[in-house]
Amino acid sequence: KQEVTQIPAALSVPEGENLVLNCSFTDSAIYNLQWFRQDPGKGLTSLLLIQSSQREQTSGRLNASLDKSSGRSTLYIAASQPGDSATYLCAVRHTGGFKTIFGAGTRLFVKA
Amino acid sequence: DGGITQSPKYLFRKEGQNVTLSCEQNLNHDAMYWYRQDPGQGLRLIYYSQIVNDFQKGDIAEGYSVSREKKESFPLTVTSAQKNPTAFYLCASSIDSDQPQHFGDGTRLSIL
Repeated sequence: KQEVTQIPAALSVPEGENLVLNCSFTDSAIYNLQWFRQDPGKGLTSLLLIQSSQREQTSGRLNASLDKSSGRSTLYIAASQPGDSATYLCAVRHTGGFKTIFGAGTRLFVKA
Repeated sequence: DGGITQSPKYLFRKEGQNVTLSCEQNLNHDAMYWYRQDPGQGLRLIYYSQIVNDFQKGDIAEGYSVSREKKESFPLTVTSAQKNPTAFYLCASSIDSDQPQHFGDGTRLSIL
């Protein structure tokens, strides 16, 4: 059974710092991995989608990497800003099924 | 603008009462999903529909029911059989089951 873990559960950093969020999964037979952002009381906004054949994806100050063999993905945020404060979730789609398994998220707070 | 609309934003349920959460999308997506989010946990799949007039149970379907009579609508009914319904409910859609999911802003359900 696929399990997705995100560590740390919460993170506080000063503005301007580069940071890395971690996501690990137990079954490497994945179809794709997606990173989402969730603001308080809101739905999820897709940030980056990495297909199983890809190693990384980039969008602006965000870079997501995927290492299937070790069961890990990282989300790198460059030059963090207070507006980046939110909960970041990773989600894994398994090759053997339709469902997407979500991690519990990392709550990020960027201090001005 | 195209998107997913969930209503109401807040909903209260009395003991023994069924309540229905609305989800409408104008993205012309075939697939739609319902998730439940509890504090400190990842999203859990309640039901999903890959095409109109068809739907399947997710991981936690007990106490819930859905219908998919129209492509743009996927309402979720929380029945009195669901003994712990207090949660944040998120609806999502995707072009098909292989594409990224887009989320609504959620409905927060509480017990009176």
